[in-house]
Amino acid sequence: DADVTQTPRNRITKTGKRIMLECSQTKGHDRMYWYRQDPGLGLRLIYYSFDVKDINKGEISDGYSVSRQAQAKFSLSLESAIPNQTALYFCATSAGRGQVSANYGYTFGSGTRLTVV
Amino acid sequence: DAKTTQPTSMDCAEGRAANLPCNHSTISGNEYVYWYRQIHSQGPQYIIHGLKNNETNEMASLIITEDRKSSTLILPHATLRDTAVYYCIVRVAKDNAGNMLTFGGGTRLMVKP
Repeated sequence: DADVTQTPRNRITKTGKRIMLECSQTKGHDRMYWYRQDPGLGLRLIYYSFDVKDINKGEISDGYSVSRQAQAKFSLSLESAIPNQTALYFCATSAGRGQVSANYGYTFGSGTRLTVV
Repeated sequence: DAKTTQPTSMDCAEGRAANLPCNHSTISGNEYVYWYRQIHSQGPQYIIHGLKNNETNEMASLIITEDRKSSTLILPHATLRDTAVYYCIVRVAKDNAGNMLTFGGGTRLMVKP
């Protein structure tokens, strides 16, 4: 099983619909992140969470919300999807300050391709 | 995090070494150089990181100049599967609030037969 699992892998939804993207991890990492990638561009941070009680906005949080249900679960919601939210979405994890890690790098999921029509 | 500059794209012949440069002239003393790669539409993958000494692992080698203002990622025997976008990122390892991984444009490496 993958260390970071994202569901669904692909989703097509209509404008105005609410949609949730889910992420779960088996790394035991405290920190989790949601990134968005548009075609030909780099990744941009939407939201991040340093622990279950901590949620922070990233550089492009408008139109999105998140929920950290447990250390292992971090979901991203689009309350009312719009076409310019069509993108590839990645969840990632990293070790927290109180945790030991071999490299303190980030582990990414395989992504969710979201299309809003 | 310090800003990095990478070439937009590079080609490499299969079986040859791929040398990917990165400039990070404003790097701070406690900042590491991290390299990630992203194979088409997959999640980015950690490759290697270093502070000031050269590093090697099963994937690549990292050469950091003595003044730490630039570095080179070396894939010793590039294969077609190494075709990807390679990101050089400078950051503290054990980050504090407000210090998340940020991605620039990266270098698109094309390995050719």
